[in-house]
Amino acid sequence: NAGVTQTPKFQVLKTGQSMTLQCAQDMNHEYMSWYRQDPGMGLRLIHYSVGAGITDQGEVPNGYNVSRSTTEDFPLRLLSAAPSQTSVYFCASTMGSNQPQHFGDGTRLSIL
Amino acid sequence: AQKITQTQPGMFVQEKEAVTLDCTYDTSDQSYGLFWYKQPSSGEMIFLIYQGSYDEQNATEGRYSLNFQKARKSANLVISASQLGDSAMYFCAMREASSGSARQLTFGSGTQLTVLP
Repeated sequence: NAGVTQTPKFQVLKTGQSMTLQCAQDMNHEYMSWYRQDPGMGLRLIHYSVGAGITDQGEVPNGYNVSRSTTEDFPLRLLSAAPSQTSVYFCASTMGSNQPQHFGDGTRLSIL
Repeated sequence: AQKITQTQPGMFVQEKEAVTLDCTYDTSDQSYGLFWYKQPSSGEMIFLIYQGSYDEQNATEGRYSLNFQKARKSANLVISASQLGDSAMYFCAMREASSGSARQLTFGSGTQLTVLP
């Protein structure tokens, strides 16, 4: 059982480049989310989705786009990378509000 | 105001001793849940324990227990019989019924626990 799979694990970009962080889950979870983790700040919610075709913004959505065309996949797009987006990105999924969120292993992204 | 406050940036504990990691929260919701996650140096987020606001008993999972004091809005994690493998960053997180999906989490800034041999 793979759980939540994130790719790539590491990425270096130049300022202004675009890229997509991939996230896939095989647990048939309705809810998926993206967080970023910066030193000393814990995890902050970027975007989330409660099901295919439905997305919404979290605490820090600027500079990021998401889509949810299937239950399994929830990609995060950086349209024009900025050094402030250097961070570790986690994708997570869950079924119910009282259930724990299952996290992917993270993507470490550096913007030069 | 911070929704989740973890006041201990770093903690040290001797192997085999118990340790308490503090977490206070701020919400006006009646229905909410509190989670603790462990993040070892390898980086993954590992779920440890969950406490619902309506749960009458403190949650326990093996060596982990949650000291839930609702009136004080605290949800401290207690690790008994610490092991070297417990050295990690620990995060407290809350979900509120009033949040957009009732499932999104707000995290504290974490406590770095070091277990000494």
